[in-house]
Amino acid sequence: EPEVTQTPSHQVTQMGQEVILRCVPISNHLYFYWYRQILGQKVEFLVSFYNNEISEKSEIFDDQFSVERPDGSNFTLKIRSTKLEDSAMYFCASSLDRRITEAFFGQGTRLTVV
Amino acid sequence: AQKVTQAQTEISVVEKEDVTLDCVYETRDTTYYLFWYKQPPSGELVFLIRRNSFDEQNEISGRYSWNFQKSTSSFNFTITASQVVDSAVYFCALSERGAGANNLFFGTGTRLTVIP
Repeated sequence: EPEVTQTPSHQVTQMGQEVILRCVPISNHLYFYWYRQILGQKVEFLVSFYNNEISEKSEIFDDQFSVERPDGSNFTLKIRSTKLEDSAMYFCASSLDRRITEAFFGQGTRLTVV
Repeated sequence: AQKVTQAQTEISVVEKEDVTLDCVYETRDTTYYLFWYKQPPSGELVFLIRRNSFDEQNEISGRYSWNFQKSTSSFNFTITASQVVDSAVYFCALSERGAGANNLFFGTGTRLTVIP
């Protein structure tokens, strides 16, 4: 069964450092998403991406964040200068259509900022 | 504005008991989708079900069943004869279509613990 894969599963980084979270979406999917879950809280939408550009983003997704699809298979989330409050589980998802009606989530990357 | 409320923060049941997880949603859209996801201790999000706003038929999948009632804006999830492997956090989520939104709004989750 096709799946979304994320690497690494856990990343520890120092405050102020740049971090890149990687995702490989399902191969024929066209829409890609990042979500965040601060420990013990709900899952929150960050950004959606289609046709090599951001289609929608939340208030959380400020200038410290960026996304790109560098090589047609990977989908990355970059945090330029990490803060302690960026510590969370980050989920990548992909879907075939824009209505996220059948979005598949990756297993998540746990980011710990120290 | 969209809102998903899961009033039950934590539930504990003894194995083989039935348990219902509540979800109440709020939307002005007439076309929307409702979802349930399971998050086991390993952390991943597992898709369980999707329902669109025009389909109020209840659904059963093995020990799982879902009761969608537009009149009360609820989409409740029942696990019959619970098992220890059902222990997880369960999230209800809403996606609106009419507003062009293409993302999910999650509730705060219900942590289910099934005691052997």
